[in-house]
Amino acid sequence: EPEVTQTPSHQVTQMGQEVILRCVPISNHLYFYWYRQILGQKVEFLVSFYNNEISEKSEIFDDQFSVERPDGSNFTLKIRSTKLEDSAMYFCASSEARGGQPQHFGDGTRLSIL
Amino acid sequence: QKEVEQNSGPLSVPEGAIASLNCTYSDRVSQSFFWYRQYSGKSPELIMSIYSNGDKEDGRFTAQLNKASQYVSLLIRDSQPSDSATYLCAVNMKTSYDKVIFGPGTSLSVIP
Repeated sequence: EPEVTQTPSHQVTQMGQEVILRCVPISNHLYFYWYRQILGQKVEFLVSFYNNEISEKSEIFDDQFSVERPDGSNFTLKIRSTKLEDSAMYFCASSEARGGQPQHFGDGTRLSIL
Repeated sequence: QKEVEQNSGPLSVPEGAIASLNCTYSDRVSQSFFWYRQYSGKSPELIMSIYSNGDKEDGRFTAQLNKASQYVSLLIRDSQPSDSATYLCAVNMKTSYDKVIFGPGTSLSVIP
């Protein structure tokens, strides 16, 4: 069964450093998403992306965050100057269509900021 | 009012019993509803989606939606120890085309 793949599985970074999280969505999916889950808390929407542009973002997704689809398969989340509170699981998801179609999640990247 | 609410649990049921998980949501015109299962330290795994009032069955799982009451539930029949996980209710609000709002999850423990 097709799946969303994320790398790395665990990223440890010093506070203030930049980090890039990578995702390969399911190949026939056109809509991509990033979510985060702080330990013990609920899954939170960050951003959605379609046709090479952001279609929606949450209040969490401020200027330190950016997303990019650098080629035909990868979808990345960049955090420019990491803070301690950025420590969380980051999940990439993709869907065939938007407007409430099921989103399929990758295994996540655990980001630890020291 | 929180957008998606669930009882945090833990909900404990004996093996073979029916587990009933409940969820309420605040946006009356929400369109799409999902149940995800999340094992500890893992990612959300889609179990079911439901879009119209009534019941939808898939194997041992039944999702029930009542838009008038703003209520969605998940029944798990013949519960197995492997069903022990956190179950996340997720809702696509009418106000947002892409964003799915997750509830805090209900922890289910199936006792052998």
